[in-house]
Amino acid sequence: GQNIDQPTEMTATEGAIVQINCTYQTSGFNGLFWYQQHAGEAPTFLSYNVLDGLEEKGRFSSFLSRSKGYSYLLLKELQMKDSASYLCAARGDSNYQLIWGAGTKLIIKP
Amino acid sequence: DVKVTQSSRYLVKRTGEKVFLECVQDMDHENMFWYRQDPGLGLRLIYFSYDVKMKEKGDIPEGYSVSREKKERFSLILESASTNQTSMYLCASRENRGSYTFGSGTRLTVV
Repeated sequence: GQNIDQPTEMTATEGAIVQINCTYQTSGFNGLFWYQQHAGEAPTFLSYNVLDGLEEKGRFSSFLSRSKGYSYLLLKELQMKDSASYLCAARGDSNYQLIWGAGTKLIIKP
Repeated sequence: DVKVTQSSRYLVKRTGEKVFLECVQDMDHENMFWYRQDPGLGLRLIYFSYDVKMKEKGDIPEGYSVSREKKERFSLILESASTNQTSMYLCASRENRGSYTFGSGTRLTVV
């Protein structure tokens, strides 16, 4: 079957670095998305990886290893506003359907 | 700034009522989607539409229908609301194979 696993909850300290992992199993693979969702708000797009390697965007980076079915989102210099859920989603063979993880709730402490 | 707008943030409906959730996008996107989001579960696709008047079932279409008469508007209909349809409903749109833009969601409670 197709599924995505990511930790349910993580806690980190303001100013630190945190890595949120995501493993996936899909029929075919055509890219992996990361979204951020603050409580009660819409998910917002963070990154999209289709090739192996690390892509950096400011404080956020996303890594993909297709051979391992693995991705991570790296957040540096954590700020209180980074407290949110982070959703991982993989595109398999279907152009229209994504397989979504349940999300990782990230709690930032002062 | 591109936008997906859902008509209601919060709704309370009675069991058996017919419920309409409206979604409008201003980006001229071909594809539109309806998801529901429940605690501990990933987003689950209810229906999607890849063009005007075209619709396809997602993973959990039972108890729902959709309408797309115009490109910018995608409506989700609960034919006869039940308590197990209490959930957060998210609408999204995208350019073909692009990233998804989501609306703010409608939190529906069926009593």
